[in-house]
Amino acid sequence: GDSVTQMEGPVTLSEEAFLTINCTYTATGYPSLFWYVQYPGEGLQLLLKATKADDKGSNKGFEATYRKETTSFHLEKGSVQVSDSAVYFCAVYGSGNTGKLIFGQGTTLQVKP
Amino acid sequence: GAGVSQSPRYKVAKRGQDVALRCDPISGHVSLFWYQQALGQGPEFLTYFQNEAQLDKSGLPSDRFFAERPEGSVSTLKIQRTQQEDSAVYLCASSPDNPQGAFGYTFGSGTRLTVV
Repeated sequence: GDSVTQMEGPVTLSEEAFLTINCTYTATGYPSLFWYVQYPGEGLQLLLKATKADDKGSNKGFEATYRKETTSFHLEKGSVQVSDSAVYFCAVYGSGNTGKLIFGQGTTLQVKP
Repeated sequence: GAGVSQSPRYKVAKRGQDVALRCDPISGHVSLFWYQQALGQGPEFLTYFQNEAQLDKSGLPSDRFFAERPEGSVSTLKIQRTQQEDSAVYLCASSPDNPQGAFGYTFGSGTRLTVV
């Protein structure tokens, strides 16, 4: 069945470090891919998305490229800030055309000053 | 409203009690989803509505779980005879378009259910 696998956390970085959070997926066809972020005490927010192969989604300095050949959608940021500390979820549309999202287990990012 | 509103924000239920969780989606949004998020896990799909029609309820874990959206706007998730394993955050999300739309969804802040 459809699934998403994220690198396990927590990921602890110093401010201004480079961030990569790996995400791979299993799904049929060419599903849209998403990264959501959950800040402490808040709900899930859409961070970025990509709808077709080789698309690059970007927002707030974060980027992710839809790699069909490796079924990956790794999240990157060149210079993290303390305010980026949150839980990041990779997600893919599941099969069946109902639009349900299949989420990874989440990766906690902690950025230290 | 401006966002997806869920109530109550927190709910403590005694085992065996029935609970009802409410979701007010963004006005005019066609699609509405319920997800269950256990502690330290990603959200898991429960059910999906397109307007008032429940098109997918494959994620409901048992027949104790029931969801409705009778007028195509507000939705209620009901859990009967709650069990400890039902303890989780229940998230509602809505989207302006039909399935597989490119917008993604707007999530509410969730209802944290604790069954004691």
